[in-house]
Amino acid sequence: QSALTQPPSASGSPGQSVTISCTGTSSDVGGYNYVSWYQQHPGKAPNLMIYEVSKRPSGVPDRFSGSKSGNTASLTVSGLQAEDEADYYCGSYAGSNKVVFGGGTKLTVL
Amino acid sequence: QVQLQQWGAGLLKPSETLSLTCAVYGGSFSGYYWSWIRQPPGKGLEWIGKINHSGSTYYNPSLKSRVTISVDTSKNQFSLRLTSVTAADTAVYYCARSASTGECNYWGQGTLVTVSS
Repeated sequence: QSALTQPPSASGSPGQSVTISCTGTSSDVGGYNYVSWYQQHPGKAPNLMIYEVSKRPSGVPDRFSGSKSGNTASLTVSGLQAEDEADYYCGSYAGSNKVVFGGGTKLTVL
Repeated sequence: QVQLQQWGAGLLKPSETLSLTCAVYGGSFSGYYWSWIRQPPGKGLEWIGKINHSGSTYYNPSLKSRVTISVDTSKNQFSLRLTSVTAADTAVYYCARSASTGECNYWGQGTLVTVSS
């Protein structure tokens, strides 16, 4: 199983929206509605932000939203805030009880 | 509130065996998968594998020959063994609780494991 493809970096000004993509194959992202997104601040463990493509765990602001089209999933952060600056990783169910992650995207709030 | 606390040796020599354990506090131990994920310094996440309370295991094919994940339901703990480590296995290792759909909603604090002669 190969890692999912994410852009290495993304940026936006406070208040703006930014979208991060996550491209896989029909064996993972495209084959299941089981894409998740994680936020990771430096030195910290990842934190689940989105699961099952577009669901938000309790406590995650509704500024964070997820979607999927074909083999590509996307995370959109609206109304960017300084604390949103972090690394973001996508993950996908890949069949046979296996999971694959993306390489990560560093989000900079300008 | 679910908490995962992990521990294990942080410095290994090449060819040695990595051993980490994760204890789960709060919540149900059954009904979930218990996963190991690692992150090399400055790099992305890599899924290592997972186990359920019954002991069914699932591994990353690229690591399968060297990995063993086990569970001790009497202690609500699960463990990772990775044999024949090399410098490429240097990473922060995380334990996590996973749903059947793959997402990890609770994570341990992470353990930096360095492999160096």
